[in-house]
Amino acid sequence: GDSVTQMEGPVTLSEEAFLTINCTYTATGYPSLFWYVQYPGEGLQLLLKATKADDKGSNKGFEATYRKETTSFHLEKGSVQVSDSAVYFCALRARAAGNKLTFGGGTRVLVKP
Amino acid sequence: GAVVSQHPSWVICKSGTSVKIECRSLDFQATTMFWYRQFPKQSLMLMATSNEGSKATYEQGVEKDKFLINHASLTLSTLTVTSAHPEDSSFYICSASGTGLINEQFFGPGTRLTVL
Repeated sequence: GDSVTQMEGPVTLSEEAFLTINCTYTATGYPSLFWYVQYPGEGLQLLLKATKADDKGSNKGFEATYRKETTSFHLEKGSVQVSDSAVYFCALRARAAGNKLTFGGGTRVLVKP
Repeated sequence: GAVVSQHPSWVICKSGTSVKIECRSLDFQATTMFWYRQFPKQSLMLMATSNEGSKATYEQGVEKDKFLINHASLTLSTLTVTSAHPEDSSFYICSASGTGLINEQFFGPGTRLTVL
């Protein structure tokens, strides 16, 4: 079945550091890929998405590129802020699954001033 | 646009009672709603998918008689935890999706349930 694997956290960084969160997936066909962010005590917010190979999603300084050859969708940000402290979830939506999402385990990021 | 609300945001109840959680799409018609459960420091677990006017489809291992889902209108779905027990304590999150440009899932802020 479909699955998403992302690096375990927590990831602790200093402000202005470079952030990378690895995400790889297994799916039949060509799924759409997503990154969601969850701030403490809140629901999920869509951060960015990509729907086909080589697409780059970007938002709020975060980027991720859909790599079909490596089945990856790594999240990056060049200079993190304390406000980026949150849990980040990688997810996929297989074309045959309607709107159903498959989530990775989540990666907690803590940015220290 | 595409705002989803949940009510209540938190609830504490006694063991054996039932609790109803509402999920509303505020500015779009949600043809499909999803209910998730999230344990502390863990990922989201899909419990069920509901389409307006039809019975919910439950994921394997989720008791449909325990977690009653109703999707009576295009803007409202409810999850009722029946005869709640402490092990039902969790963070419950709903999401909603429509059609066309709003066919992504938009998530509610979550409801924290604590069963004493």
